[in-house]
Amino acid sequence: ETGVTQSPTHLIKTRGQQVTLRCSSQSGHNTVSWYQQALGQGPQFIFQYYREEENGRGNFPPRFSGLQFPNYSSELNVNALELDDSALYLCASSLLNYEQYFGPGTRLTVT
Amino acid sequence: DQQVKQNSPSLSVQEGRISILNCDYTNSMFDYFLWYKKYPAEGPTFLISISSIKDKNEDGRFTVFLNKSAKHLSLHIVPSQPGDSAVYFCAASLGGATNKLIFGTGTLLAVQP
Repeated sequence: ETGVTQSPTHLIKTRGQQVTLRCSSQSGHNTVSWYQQALGQGPQFIFQYYREEENGRGNFPPRFSGLQFPNYSSELNVNALELDDSALYLCASSLLNYEQYFGPGTRLTVT
Repeated sequence: DQQVKQNSPSLSVQEGRISILNCDYTNSMFDYFLWYKKYPAEGPTFLISISSIKDKNEDGRFTVFLNKSAKHLSLHIVPSQPGDSAVYFCAASLGGATNKLIFGTGTLLAVQP
């Protein structure tokens, strides 16, 4: 059974640029949730996708957007990057309303 | 507004002894609680969970206790092993359609050999 994978591992971007992060869910899971973890903080919920539809959103601006594909993999897009977007971005897959299993994360640095 | 709080940033325990990690929450509507362990450069790993209708759940060396009246839960690790050294996050869920997790800030556990 393949676990949750994320790419890339690390990324450095300049303020104002756009970035796309990718996540492959665990086999059999139909739900993907994205979290942002700033240094010294716990992960914060960005949004969730269930069967290709957004299924809930946290307190993040519209420049954070996402997609889920028919194979349940997912993308997180962030436009107009700001310095405060520097963080570890975590993807978690699950069956809806069951325990979430996390990938290793993508470390984004905005300069 | 921090709905899930882990007030101890760090904890040091001797190998073989009990580790007790604590978590407090403010929202009485949470219906499910989880503990995750995180090593550096890895994502959080699910450890154990408990429904709000229970007060205890046990899985091997890990036991989670829930005190709803005090809005408090704790994770007990017995016996502690050096490989348990990691950051432990408490998380809570409101259930419903989204099941988003609300995390605490984590406690760094160091198990000394």
